[in-house]
Amino acid sequence: AQTVTQSQPEMSVQEAETVTLSCTYDTSENNYYLFWYKQPPSRQMILVIRQEAYKQQNATENRFSVNFQKAAKSFSLKISDSQLGDTAMYFCAFMKWGSGGGADGLTFGKGTHLIIQP
Amino acid sequence: DVKVTQSSRYLVKRTGEKVFLECVQDMDHENMFWYRQDPGLGLRLIYFSYDVKMKEKGDIPEGYSVSREKKERFSLILESASTNQTSMYLCASSSLGQGSPSYSNQPQHFGDGTRLSIL
Repeated sequence: AQTVTQSQPEMSVQEAETVTLSCTYDTSENNYYLFWYKQPPSRQMILVIRQEAYKQQNATENRFSVNFQKAAKSFSLKISDSQLGDTAMYFCAFMKWGSGGGADGLTFGKGTHLIIQP
Repeated sequence: DVKVTQSSRYLVKRTGEKVFLECVQDMDHENMFWYRQDPGLGLRLIYFSYDVKMKEKGDIPEGYSVSREKKERFSLILESASTNQTSMYLCASSSLGQGSPSYSNQPQHFGDGTRLSIL
């Protein structure tokens, strides 16, 4: 079984600052996916960024980037030039890489509540 | 854009009732999932389905069942609702990758959630 740990229940930064959310995970799998999801007060869960474990290059999506350290089982999210709209719960999630198709559920961390102050 | 629609945003039921939560997706996705979300616990997988009439238990299936009679619809059933099932329930769907490993099990798309209260 996999576990995902987010050690920061809540973080608060000023607008325009850079913030890093931490995530560690434990698995015996070699191939898997890691995700960061954002859940604003509207409750819609939105995919922020995705990383395939076999890729050494860190994923980036505009102001969002990850630091993926496979050996350390660490997957942190960096938000640059933070904006008020980034205020949300952020969840780190793990998914096994299914071979030959078939579904697999996500294993989530407990979340980090990020507050961007004006 | 993928649309995952949950039939109710808020629902209030009584203990012992049989409760149905409905989820419909419009992107012909093979995979569908039910999670519950509780403060301080994150999201936990209840059940999932990778095809019509197929279902797999997730991490916390006790007290729940599911039904998938059509590809686009996945129902979560609380056979006899209890107060400890008061929670936010989230449905998700994803497509099945084609061939190349990098396209296996595409990211999940979530509905807006149903906040269920059992009194």
